[in-house]
Amino acid sequence: DQQVKQNSPSLSVQEGRISILNCDYTNSMFDYFLWYKKYPAEGPTFLISISSIKDKNEDGRFTVFLNKSAKHLSLHIVPSQPGDSAVYFCAASARSAGGTSYGKLTFGQGTILTVHP
Amino acid sequence: NAGVTQTPKFRVLKTGQSMTLLCAQDMNHEYMYWYRQDPGMGLRLIHYSVGEGTTAKGEVPDGYNVSRLKKQNFLLGLESAAPSQTSVYFCASSYSVGATEAFFGQGTRLTVV
Repeated sequence: DQQVKQNSPSLSVQEGRISILNCDYTNSMFDYFLWYKKYPAEGPTFLISISSIKDKNEDGRFTVFLNKSAKHLSLHIVPSQPGDSAVYFCAASARSAGGTSYGKLTFGQGTILTVHP
Repeated sequence: NAGVTQTPKFRVLKTGQSMTLLCAQDMNHEYMYWYRQDPGMGLRLIHYSVGEGTTAKGEVPDGYNVSRLKKQNFLLGLESAAPSQTSVYFCASSYSVGATEAFFGQGTRLTVV
């Protein structure tokens, strides 16, 4: 059973426009959410995160929104650039699970973002 | 500034052969992880370690063994490789309690024929 789902396998956006990547989760124990970016033949690199006590976190062109009641989060990239073309993974962790989460991450399937010049 | 380094980067195995994947980190992290990435599945946790001398099972541990004899190294072993283990393997590490983001290696592409 997929506890973290990214239902859009791919997204195509024009340079300068907004990219919105979505992620849904089912496990109520998840209280920390992360987005990773992955280029071909490289490992995932951390992009941005959000704790469940917040509903928004910004870092430059990247903003993550969390809707706990809907168990949904989204990553907004504004403005999108061709260098943003990559696979984006949503991940979740249950940090407050009695300290036993040990940083384990549950990942979504990934969304391939293509930004056209 | 190496971070997390995986060896080898590519490998082709015949069914039934064994091999060990090596992961080394130079960030003095307590926690280390092995994930596999398959098309349409995202990354799934195989085994993890919360410190030197400790290991624990993740989501998909069958067919794999691990060891953490030194804090900086985490080894993933396949005793008898099967075609179902064809995948891209990623090692990662993170700080201890309260760990947030994990740092990943560049991956090992393994093909079992």
